[in-house]
Amino acid sequence: DAKTTQPTSMDCAEGRAANLPCNHSTISGNEYVYWYRQIHSQGPQYIIHGLKNNETNEMASLIITEDRKSSTLILPHATLRDTAVYYCIVRAPSGGSYIPTFGRGTSLIVHP
Amino acid sequence: DAGVTQSPTHLIKTRGQQVTLRCSPKSGHDTVSWYQQALGQGPQFIFQYYEEEERQRGNFPDRFSGHQFPNYSSELNVNALLLGDSALYLCASSFDRGQARYYGYTFGSGTRLTVV
Repeated sequence: DAKTTQPTSMDCAEGRAANLPCNHSTISGNEYVYWYRQIHSQGPQYIIHGLKNNETNEMASLIITEDRKSSTLILPHATLRDTAVYYCIVRAPSGGSYIPTFGRGTSLIVHP
Repeated sequence: DAGVTQSPTHLIKTRGQQVTLRCSPKSGHDTVSWYQQALGQGPQFIFQYYEEEERQRGNFPDRFSGHQFPNYSSELNVNALLLGDSALYLCASSFDRGQARYYGYTFGSGTRLTVV
């Protein structure tokens, strides 16, 4: 079972920041937070991951709370092509929880 | 650099038939995982293959079986198809050692299976 809770859907205006929350209150010390997104009719695409520090790459930023019980994926300037289902996953690099387990994710709609 | 390649892209089968889906992993990856994604749901883990052996398995019946070849490519076989097996079947590849253990999985675009 997925160990994360995400809102079912969100919307965002094009050009604005999209902030997608995720709760993972039972995360273990060795588990990382990963984000994937799935554009319609394609496979999931890896976006970013982090352990406890905030992370940024060319696609997004990941903010993890100090207690690691929640995180936020930030798309700084959302475009129409960012419309997708976003999945938040907790996963360890080895051991029992190293297989990515997906919930239903958040359906993000970016509108003009 | 080719990513994960899956074939066929679409398939229609009749209830009771058998189907084989194929996956070629990303170059440099040696581990293949299969997922089933029903409409409106997140992907569900079926099993993972490494060194030509099934390493982990999700909650799927024995009708679902797989194989990994020496070149790391993989097949997913489903016997005695049911209407409920209609779904998008996703293959993901990875290299789960060293620093690469921390990387995300790379997914293919999937095979859309329809059972009628």
